[in-house]
Amino acid sequence: EAGVVQSPRYKIIEKKQPVAFWCNPISGHNTLYWYRQNLGQGPELLIRYENEEAVDDSQLPKDRFSAERLKGVDSTLKIQPAELGDSAVYLCASSTRQNRNTIYFGEGSWLTVV
Amino acid sequence: LAKTTQPISMDSYEGQEVNITCSHNNIATNDYITWYQQFPSQGPRFIIQGYKTKVTNEVASLFIPADRKSSTLSLPRVSLSDTAVYYCLVGEQNDYKLSFGAGTTVTVRA
Repeated sequence: EAGVVQSPRYKIIEKKQPVAFWCNPISGHNTLYWYRQNLGQGPELLIRYENEEAVDDSQLPKDRFSAERLKGVDSTLKIQPAELGDSAVYLCASSTRQNRNTIYFGEGSWLTVV
Repeated sequence: LAKTTQPISMDSYEGQEVNITCSHNNIATNDYITWYQQFPSQGPRFIIQGYKTKVTNEVASLFIPADRKSSTLSLPRVSLSDTAVYYCLVGEQNDYKLSFGAGTTVTVRA
C-alpha cells in the first residue's frame, strides 16, 4: 500500500515569492492534515480536513497561507508571499476517522526562504 | 489534553536496551498512549499504541503501569539505525489535536 506522497521534496525560494506543496494521502483515509515542523521541534498542526471540508484551520496563518482539498483526496498548501520565518518542513498526513491518533505522515516538503 | 513530559535526549550503544519514560500525570480515562519515531529527513512514523499493561510489536514494547500516569517505551537491542526522535502522545482515539512536543532524541553509538 502506498504511503502519503508529497511534492516537492525540497524547495528554495526568495522571500515574497509564492510556493505550493502537494499531497496525496493514503487511499481511503478521509482525514488529511498539514503540519509545519521547525528545526528541533515537533510537528504543529496547521489545518485538518474531513473529506473536502476544512474542519479546523485555527492554526493556519490565513493572511498568507491557504489550502484546499478538492474532491476530498489530494490537497495543496500554498504560501503567498513567503517570509523568511516560513522556512520549515511542511508535513502532510492522513488517518481514518476511527483512529486519529494513528497518523501516517509523508516525508515532508522542505522549504527554505532566502 | 494531557500534557506529557519526556527526556530531551538519551545516548546509548549498539546492542543495548533503551527505555524512554513519558510522564502524563493528568491522563484521562479515555486517553490512549501513542509513540511515534522520526528519523532525520523523514516524517514521524507510528510505532506503538497502548491503553494499559503491556503492548509489544516487532519494533518496541510499551509498558503502562496500573495508574497510567507514565509509560515506558522499550527498544530492545538498538542499532545505529534506531537513532531518531521519539514522541510520546496522549489522547483519545478520535483526538486529532495531539501535541507532539519536542520529543526525545535517542542517539545510538557504535
